[in-house]
Amino acid sequence: AQSVTQLDSQVPVFEEAPVELRCNYSSSVSVYLFWYVQYPNQGLQLLLKYLSGSTLVKGINGFEAEFNKSQTSFHLRKPSVHISDTAEYFCAVSEVGFQKLVFGTGTRLLVSP
Amino acid sequence: KAGVTQTPRYLIKTRGQQVTLSCSPISGHRSVSWYQQTPGQGLQFLFEYFSETQRNKGNFPGRFSGRQFSNSRSEMNVSTLELGDSALYLCASSIAGASTDTQYFGPGTRLTVL
Repeated sequence: AQSVTQLDSQVPVFEEAPVELRCNYSSSVSVYLFWYVQYPNQGLQLLLKYLSGSTLVKGINGFEAEFNKSQTSFHLRKPSVHISDTAEYFCAVSEVGFQKLVFGTGTRLLVSP
Repeated sequence: KAGVTQTPRYLIKTRGQQVTLSCSPISGHRSVSWYQQTPGQGLQFLFEYFSETQRNKGNFPGRFSGRQFSNSRSEMNVSTLELGDSALYLCASSIAGASTDTQYFGPGTRLTVL
């Protein structure tokens, strides 16, 4: 079975500051890794995913994440956040060969002016 | 191309009733997955359908069921509703249901059980 831990339930940050949202996972089998964003009253939107290859993955809206196999981490970063980045961010894993996503509990990013 | 659509968007039911939620995937997508989102349990996988067959099921009681039609549209049904079934139910579609495929989520159906 897989599990995902998002260590921070809420991250407050000022506009134009950098941000890192942390994600650690646990799995006895190979997994793929994902970051999704959820804006209020909306569904989830994929930011980026790691399947294989380069451990640095670039996504939409200026986000990137780095896969670290030894640390079993997949932290999400953005060098300069905007007010519009205020949302809930979910890290997820899926076992290779299966469509089922296992999500973390989410991190609420609060960007203030 | 239209996104994933879910109907209805909001639903209020009472305990003991049953409910059916509908999901229309993106055109050409053949896999549909359902997730339940609650403040206490977070996002949990319910089941996945591909070509009208349930391929994977989460850890939910038998009161939760689903089906997929030949046009890939999917419905999920919850019978004998309990207060704890109040949640946002999200549907996601992907092209072929491969684990590498991106899942595109709909806006969800918010179910309130009174």
